[in-house]
Amino acid sequence: DGGITQSPKYLFRKEGQNVTLSCEQNLNHDAMYWYRQDPGQGLRLIYYSQIVNDFQKGDIAEGYSVSREKKESFPLTVTSAQKNPTAFYLCASRTGTDLYNDQFFGPGTRLTVL
Amino acid sequence: AQTVTQSQPEMSVQEAETVTLSCTYDTSESDYYLFWYKQPPSRQMILVIRQEAYKQQNATENRFSVNFQKAAKSFSLKISDSQLGDAAMYFCAYRSPDQKLVFGQGTRLTINP
Repeated sequence: DGGITQSPKYLFRKEGQNVTLSCEQNLNHDAMYWYRQDPGQGLRLIYYSQIVNDFQKGDIAEGYSVSREKKESFPLTVTSAQKNPTAFYLCASRTGTDLYNDQFFGPGTRLTVL
Repeated sequence: AQTVTQSQPEMSVQEAETVTLSCTYDTSESDYYLFWYKQPPSRQMILVIRQEAYKQQNATENRFSVNFQKAAKSFSLKISDSQLGDAAMYFCAYRSPDQKLVFGQGTRLTINP
């Protein structure tokens, strides 16, 4: 079964703690993305990676960090510097070789900071 | 910077009727893609339809079609023969040549039986 997995579906953390959200894809896609969604809002880009060992900041990167050590994996760390981390986080990936380069999304992780 | 605006926070339609969701965008690029994504209560983002800016012909996918007006920077989604399963948040999105997606705020669509 090819696809994008995000775990866990729900995550609770205490304020001040760093937390890492997992994103794995077995689609052999080159690029991966992290988005944040707040209630009643569209998605906003946090970080993206076009190739392994390289990534760029999106529109709202402050308080977040990422790594891309393997093609299949793009974990997102929400640090204590992120002022309002409670949100729904979506990971996406796309191949660089098909006609349309569509982004495919994972099921998301709901992070609640208590 | 590119922006995408959806001016209708909520819309409702009777089952089997037709509904149109509006979207406008702003860009100085000439080559780009536009998308409509559906987000049901499961919150999974599902691609509904895409439009390439250099194509004049409006895209169609079964009951879903778009009205793309490039000069007006308008990109509306028409859903024909609405079904209960169409109930969801719908997001308009713009993709620039650097492959980054910019999303609108979304429109919540309710289908009345």
